[in-house]
Parts: sequence; C-alpha cells; structure tokens
Amino acid sequence: DIQMTQSPSTLSASVGDRVTITCRASQSISTWLAWYQQKPGTAPKLLIYKASSLESGVPSRFSGSGSGTEFTLSISSLQPDDFATYYCQQYDSYSWTFGQGTKVEIK
Amino acid sequence: QVQLQQWGAGLLKPSETLSLTCAVYGGSFSNYYWNWIRQPPEKGLEWIGEINHGGSTNYNPSLKSRVTISVDTSKNQFSLNLNSVTAADTAVYYCAIGYSSGLIDYWGQGTPVTVSS
Repeated sequence: DIQMTQSPSTLSASVGDRVTITCRASQSISTWLAWYQQKPGTAPKLLIYKASSLESGVPSRFSGSGSGTEFTLSISSLQPDDFATYYCQQYDSYSWTFGQGTKVEIK
Repeated sequence: QVQLQQWGAGLLKPSETLSLTCAVYGGSFSNYYWNWIRQPPEKGLEWIGEINHGGSTNYNPSLKSRVTISVDTSKNQFSLNLNSVTAADTAVYYCAIGYSSGLIDYWGQGTPVTVSS
C-alpha cells in the first residue's frame, strides 16, 4: 500500500491567517490526490481533486498543489468555518489510502 | 442532488457479521463507483473496498478475507458485509460514491458500529 503522511498533525491559527498543510506519498502518485475536510460528527467533504482542481462550490480561498510525492493544501485567509480536520487521499493505485489528518484549531 | 442514506445494526458481539446497506437517491446510479470507508473512534479514515458498475470489486488487503461488497442496481442500493468482527472493527462506517474510481464525491451520514461482548 502507498503510505500517506501529513504534517503537521495539529495546526493552531487565527482567522485571516494563511495556512498550509503538507501531504507526502511513499511513492509517486502523479496528481492522483484529493483533499477532504471533516467537521466533528459529520462525513468528510471533498475540497480538491487531481491535486489542484477545486470541487464545485468550494470557496476559492482553498487551493492545492504538487505532484509525484509532495502535495500541499493552502487556505489563503482562514475563516471561522474552516476550523476542521483535513485529510489527503491517494487514488493512484489500490488500495486507496488516507493521511492521518491535520486538525486546524483556533489559536 | 445526490443523497446517500445508510442503515444497519449498530451493536454487534464478537464473531458476528456486520451488515450495512446504502441507498442512493438522485443522480444516475449506474455511473458510480460505490465504496465503504470506516473511521475508528478518534482516528483517521480507512478505505474498506469498492465495487464498480461492472460488478468488479477491490478490497483493502487488511480486510479482504472478511469483506463482501455487493450492489443491487434494481433498488439503487449497495451493501457491506464484514464477518467475524472483533472490537478492532468498532468504527463509524460510511458509504460513499464517486464518478471515478477512488475519488469520493458523496458520502452517507455514517453508521456507528460497536463490537462488544
């Protein structure tokens, strides 16, 4: 299986901050990477697919980049609704695997 | 608007079989890839398996010997069976679908499943 490693595990930030989360794959996955946002007690929500494509309806302050083994999710100006846990997921080869998650907390 | 509604038993004893079903409302049912994903308490997401519109399945190797995913296109439903459960199978189980293999566009509401004697 391809291992996905996110950093940091927890991130403390303030409203208006720019935040960046990193996801590394144990082998090249081209751009077959997605990012999801999950709030407590709810299912994850797709934000980004194919490493940098914004899902319909997702605010433009979210952006993704990267290819191969290193990827980033950025939020340009953190909003109150963005405090959540974020997961990366590779869908290059079976079995699909997720990162361990990055919790974005209020500073 | 696509919606997924899932149901099944939430409390099991060790060695029993977990059975969950997910109904898909809206959209074109036959165009999707149908997945099950789980999340143990306070932990991350684990993909369980996928079935496609051709009926082919792919499973997480760590669960493959115990998992069966099936689909009933006449009812727009798909199901998960996981046999010989243990406490390690305690988790919230999500059904999830996507337009392409591996990408999850829509999620069910989640079913908490507890395995306890």
